[in-house]
Amino acid sequence: DAKTTQPNSMESNEEEPVHLPCNHSTISGTDYIHWYRQLPSQGPEYVIHGLTSNVNNRMASLAIAEDRKSSTLILHRATLRDAAVYYCILRDVGAGSYQLTFGKGTKLSVIP
Amino acid sequence: NAGVTQTPKFRILKIGQSMTLQCAQDMNHNYMYWYRQDPGMGLKLIYYSVGAGITDKGEVPNGYNVSRSTTEYFPLRLELAAPSQTSVYFCASSLRGGISTGELFFGEGSRLTVL
Repeated sequence: DAKTTQPNSMESNEEEPVHLPCNHSTISGTDYIHWYRQLPSQGPEYVIHGLTSNVNNRMASLAIAEDRKSSTLILHRATLRDAAVYYCILRDVGAGSYQLTFGKGTKLSVIP
Repeated sequence: NAGVTQTPKFRILKIGQSMTLQCAQDMNHNYMYWYRQDPGMGLKLIYYSVGAGITDKGEVPNGYNVSRSTTEYFPLRLELAAPSQTSVYFCASSLRGGISTGELFFGEGSRLTVL
């Protein structure tokens, strides 16, 4: 699977937007971009995923670069509950892979 | 609708002991997975299953066994526990596996310590 690169940690003030970057320069045409987050002492939870176009849901937005070599998860208004580790993961559906490969992710701290 | 339920939440084992981590899901998902997470690290896949009676190894299967006799249950067995198996174990399930899986649902985790 192609690898992703994320900053180890980021900080945000409460109620401000947060942009979490992810680089995936070796992404293939069949790789979907998935984001999960893991709150303290909990299992990961799905946030959003996309292929080429930007995506929005109730939790966040996903902005995908035109060349697909990077993406950004956008939390429009950070709350204390958004403090978590955020994982950017590529999923090669063309290979029939059934697993997600988690890196270390970005630890987001939200300052009140 | 409970989602993915794992038991026990905490367990301490002595070296050489064996145990089974239980995982149940009530969403009628075809696919189930076992991951482990060491401190400060991401999750690593141990085993997965694409349906009842079908299992396959993930990235770190040594020291573990699984079975999937029904859609709902996917137990993980640790044989001859070793300190290296001290970790938090997460079970997950998903409705679809290969094509644009939208979401994996995770349990709350089982924290295992081997002394």
